[in-house]
Amino acid sequence: QVQLQPSGPGLVKPSETLSLTCTVSGGSISPHYWNWIRQPPGKGLEWIGYIYYTGTTYYNPSLKSRVTISLDTSKNQFSLKLNSVTAADTAVYYCARGSSSYSGSCEYFDYWGLGTLVTVSS
Amino acid sequence: DIQMTQSPSSLSASVGDRVTITCRASRDISNYLNWYQQKPGKAPNLLIYDASNLKTGVPSRFSGSGSGTDFTFTISSLQPEDVATYYCQQYDNFWTFGQGTKVEI
Repeated sequence: QVQLQPSGPGLVKPSETLSLTCTVSGGSISPHYWNWIRQPPGKGLEWIGYIYYTGTTYYNPSLKSRVTISLDTSKNQFSLKLNSVTAADTAVYYCARGSSSYSGSCEYFDYWGLGTLVTVSS
Repeated sequence: DIQMTQSPSSLSASVGDRVTITCRASRDISNYLNWYQQKPGKAPNLLIYDASNLKTGVPSRFSGSGSGTDFTFTISSLQPEDVATYYCQQYDNFWTFGQGTKVEI
């Protein structure tokens, strides 16, 4: 059974960089898409971006200038960095595996980690 | 951006009732639509992919239909464990979610 376990600080100061890591166990990194998705308190879900097992990345245009997602296949981990954070970045952050039924592209998110609340506050 | 609009935003029904949620896309997305269930304090859980395909292991009382811009998610007989918020998600252009429908009993 695939499991995703996020880790990282729960409190980040405004203007600093939010950093999270997700460790994947019970399955292979390939040939999947490794995503970050966030959910502000009491609100809906926002896709942040993904990294494919080959290292190719794709980001939400609204966040692209501030986001970096990286992959460490030796540790079965992928990471998120979001810089210049503000209070609007306060959210539960999820890591999730993206898979497809037939196309080979990222169609749906079939495994999710437990969410981790990151609060941006001084 | 493709906007996904769900209705209603919340509903209350009785055990055994048939519950229907709709999701409308701002443009044609073919059948590139999935449905998720999110229980309080938990991560979303994929229920239906490609508009109408039930994920393995998901109870058959859940179903989905539609294509183009209009989609429907149905619980044929509402159970107490179905209390949750349900989200649609498109993958035709990037990945965006509806605002969610909270289902209560």
